[in-house]
Amino acid sequence: DSGVTQTPKHLITATGQRVTLRCSPRSGDLSVYWYQQSLDQGLQFLIQYYNGEERAKGNILERFSAQQFPDLHSELNLSSLELGDSALYFCASSATGTGTNEQYFGPGTRLTVT
Amino acid sequence: DAKTTQPNSMESNEEEPVHLPCNHSTISGTDYIHWYRQLPSQGPEYVIHGLTSNVNNRMASLAIAEDRKSSTLILHRATLRDAAVYYCILRDWGGAQKLVFGQGTRLTINP
Repeated sequence: DSGVTQTPKHLITATGQRVTLRCSPRSGDLSVYWYQQSLDQGLQFLIQYYNGEERAKGNILERFSAQQFPDLHSELNLSSLELGDSALYFCASSATGTGTNEQYFGPGTRLTVT
Repeated sequence: DAKTTQPNSMESNEEEPVHLPCNHSTISGTDYIHWYRQLPSQGPEYVIHGLTSNVNNRMASLAIAEDRKSSTLILHRATLRDAAVYYCILRDWGGAQKLVFGQGTRLTINP
């Protein structure tokens, strides 16, 4: 158990809909990262937050957004969903916003868009 | 981000040592070598990391070539639970904290 929790575990929704994925980092960790894992693209970094502020952006679509709240939990919002958004979404956390601290991953949310 | 090259797959037997290679010929002086693994149906998991010297922890050992252009993750006595995809990742200490995953090596352990 990494100490990172993600809800829900599974999500099935229709094209055009909007969903919110939630992540609680390990106790004391200030950075949260979101990654997407699909069969054709592999594991890709989406976005990082550090202590409530956006720190880095990766291959995140404009239809996707994220935020980190004062209690440090984070939410990833996916809107106008397309079939290609079906994937596993992982959240990870690390202690700080710099250096090469190890990241601890949650169990993921499997999103299926039909 | 500096690139790493790993074999797509490897196979070994239970209770035998496993050596997982990684080439990173364009590594820079500030790049740390990190290894993560992803067990089936789970999120990635940190294994080990190093800069220049060989490193050991409870999970594995990391052997780094003198010129740092390659490294080897060593599982001393593989168990069935070690079957996973292993990722070798370079991380610049002063750069972005994101992890850049390649294709990794899918390790199969035979009983």
